[in-house]
Amino acid sequence: NAGVTQTPKFQVLKTGQSMTLQCAQDMNHEYMSWYRQDPGMGLRLIHYSVGAGITDQGEVPNGYNVSRSTTEDFPLRLLSAAPSQTSVYFCASSYAILGGTEAFFGQGTRLTVV
Amino acid sequence: DQQVKQNSPSLSVQEGRISILNCDYTNSMFDYFLWYKKYPAEGPTFLISISSIKDKNEDGRFTVFLNKSAKHLSLHIVPSQPGDSAVYFCAASEIQGAQKLVFGQGTRLTINP
Repeated sequence: NAGVTQTPKFQVLKTGQSMTLQCAQDMNHEYMSWYRQDPGMGLRLIHYSVGAGITDQGEVPNGYNVSRSTTEDFPLRLLSAAPSQTSVYFCASSYAILGGTEAFFGQGTRLTVV
Repeated sequence: DQQVKQNSPSLSVQEGRISILNCDYTNSMFDYFLWYKKYPAEGPTFLISISSIKDKNEDGRFTVFLNKSAKHLSLHIVPSQPGDSAVYFCAASEIQGAQKLVFGQGTRLTINP
């Protein structure tokens, strides 16, 4: 099993450009999330989804869009990149279970906006 | 407002000794707590978790302790090994499912031979 796959691994954008970070999971998980990690900080939630067609905002959603048309895929769109969006982005998936469970993370996408 | 805090940015421990990583939280609605380990250029990997109905969970060399009254949890690694050198993140969730994890800032653990 591949688990959670993120593409690309690295990306450099110019200010104002748009792009989509791809995330796919092959574990049939209901839940998927996007986080960003900045130096000296933990991971912060951008957007999440509890199933196909259902998305919601996390702690830092501004400047990002998401959609979930299938269980497997959860792309993150940067509409107009800004230097403040320079970060490492992680996609995660998890399943619904009583009592709590862990999230599985992808390898990350390192994005630099110049 | 940081709901999950790891106040020690770094920790250095001798190989074979015990490593203790600490985490504090402020949101009393959190009911599930997790520890993740992260190597450079990789995604976080799940290590161990604990539900709020328990005060201890053990998995091999790793034990997590939860003190709900103090809103504090800790991760014990015994014995520490060089491969344990990594950044450790504490995370918490207030609902079933891990789609909305709140992370601490991380603690960089270095195991010295």
